[in-house]
Amino acid sequence: EAEVAQSPRYKITEKSQAVAFWCDPISGHATLYWYRQILGQGPELLVQFQDESVVDDSQLPKDRFSAERLKGVDSTLKIQPAELGDSAMYLCASSSSGLPYEQYFGPGTRLTVT
Amino acid sequence: ELKVEQNPLFLSMQEGKNYTIYCNYSTTSDRLYWYRQDPGKSLESLFVLLSNGAVKQEGRLMASLDTKARLSTLHITAAVHDLSATYFCAVIYGGATNKLIFGTGTLLAVQP
Repeated sequence: EAEVAQSPRYKITEKSQAVAFWCDPISGHATLYWYRQILGQGPELLVQFQDESVVDDSQLPKDRFSAERLKGVDSTLKIQPAELGDSAMYLCASSSSGLPYEQYFGPGTRLTVT
Repeated sequence: ELKVEQNPLFLSMQEGKNYTIYCNYSTTSDRLYWYRQDPGKSLESLFVLLSNGAVKQEGRLMASLDTKARLSTLHITAAVHDLSATYFCAVIYGGATNKLIFGTGTLLAVQP
């Protein structure tokens, strides 16, 4: 069964350092999402791509976060510099273009900033 | 802005009992999703509800959607320990972007 792949699964970094996460969506899924989930809360959308274009990045802290999906397939989310408050689970999801627009989630990357 | 609320936030129940988790949302939407999350893990899709009156069942879980009341329920029948997890509802918002807004989550603990 096709799955969304993410790496690394765990990342510990010191504040002010740069960190990057990678996501490979399910083959053929045009829409890719990055979410941040703080412990005890529901996921919050950071950025959404349709193919290689950003369609929603309203909640992305653009002073330190960036995301790209250059060829419309895999994607990278970067944080520079990392802050203590960035400690969270970063989830990638993908969906096809038609109904029911169900989003399939990857295993996530657990980030700890010290 | 769409807000999604779940209650209860925490539910401790005994095996064999029945209970319902409620998901209320603040603006019109005709698509609602239920996910399960085990500790430290990602989200697993449980149900996709696409229209008013939709009802879906899988094992001991049954989900329903009332778009007029802006309410979805997740009913648990004869709970077993394996159902212990956090359950999230999520509602589509934003038209063409199909943005998911998640609820606060309900932590379910089934005691033997």
